[in-house]
Parts: sequence; structure tokens; C-alpha cells
Amino acid sequence: ETGVTQSPTHLIKTRGQQVTLRCSSQSGHNTVSWYQQALGQGPQFIFQYYREEENGRGNFPPRFSGLQFPNYSSELNVNALELDDSALYLCASSLDGGGETQYFGPGTRLLVL
Amino acid sequence: AQSVTQLDSQVPVFEEAPVELRCNYSSSVSVYLFWYVQYPNQGLQLLLKYLSGSTLVESINGFEAEFNKSQTSFHLRKPSVHISDTAEYFCAVSRSSASKIIFGSGTRLSIRP
Repeated sequence: ETGVTQSPTHLIKTRGQQVTLRCSSQSGHNTVSWYQQALGQGPQFIFQYYREEENGRGNFPPRFSGLQFPNYSSELNVNALELDDSALYLCASSLDGGGETQYFGPGTRLLVL
Repeated sequence: AQSVTQLDSQVPVFEEAPVELRCNYSSSVSVYLFWYVQYPNQGLQLLLKYLSGSTLVESINGFEAEFNKSQTSFHLRKPSVHISDTAEYFCAVSRSSASKIIFGSGTRLSIRP
């Protein structure tokens, strides 16, 4: 059974640029959730995708957008990067949407300069 | 709305001593409860979860947590800690009908030899 994988592991961008982060869900899971973890804080929910449709969104602006593909992998896109977007971005996969057990990937650490 | 409070930001203990990490939640509906562990520079790993049934849940590495509905608590305990338990521990809550997991701010467990 393959776990959740994310790419890249680290990324450095400058303010105003755009970034795409990728996530492959655990085998058999059809739901992907994205979280932002700022330094010294707990993860904050960005949004969830279930069977290629958005299935819930947290308090993040529209420049945070996502996509889920037919193989249930997912992308997180952030436009017009701001310094405060610097964080660890975590992807989690689960089965059939909802708040059931979510399994996390290792994360992508984004630094915005 | 749900929320999670982890009462201690840091807990220092000596190796082989017992430890308790405190977690309280607020919710007007039935919830799922989780403890996740984050080792340095890594993503989150599920330590244990309460979905229903027995209020005492255990992990494979000796941690246990007890769901106490009347006190709205889900404290994490281990009778004897090891150096390898050094990590950040996050308590979290969710509902089956909601897509997101809500995390506490985390407790840093540091083990002294």
C-alpha cells in the first residue's frame, strides 16, 4: 500500500509569483484535503476535494485554488504569493469525504521572499 | 463550531517518566477525536483516534487516550516515555458530516535523559 506523497519537498518563491504543489493520495482513497501549517502553529484547513469536486473550504482567499484528477491526485495552486504564505503545506487523503481519518503526506515547505 | 485547546505548549519530562498531554474540545454535536504526532521536519502521523465505542484507545507504541464526554477531554498518556518520543503532538477534532479536521496549537514534548 502506497502512502501519501507530495512534491516538491521544498520551494522558494518571491512575492507575487505563483506556485503549484502536488499530492498523490494513498491507494484506494478518493478524497484529498489540503492544510497550511505556519511555523509554531497547528495545521489550518484550506479545502477538500472529493471525486474531483470541492467538498468544503476553510477561510482562505480565492487565490488559493485546487484541482483533483480522475486518479484522485491533487494540486494546490497559490497565486500572487505573499510573505505570509510561507508555511508547510500538508496534503491528507481519506475515503469518501467527510471528517473521517485523514492520512498526511510529508508536506511541502514553501518560503516566500 | 468545534474548537480544540491544548493547555500546554511545552512539556519537558525525564526519560522513563510518565507523561500526560492535555486536550479539551468544544462541540455541540458528536465528534471524532484524534492525536497526531509530528517529528522534526516531517509531516503528521496519526497516533490514535476515537470514532465510537470504547472510550479508551491505544496506539502501537504505548500511548493511550481516553474520551471523556462529560469533561469534553481527550488527554494523551504514556506510562514511560523514551527519547524517541520527542516530537510535537497535535490533538484534533472533526465531524463525519464536515470535511475538515480542526487542530489544536500543539504540545512540544521534550524528553531529558
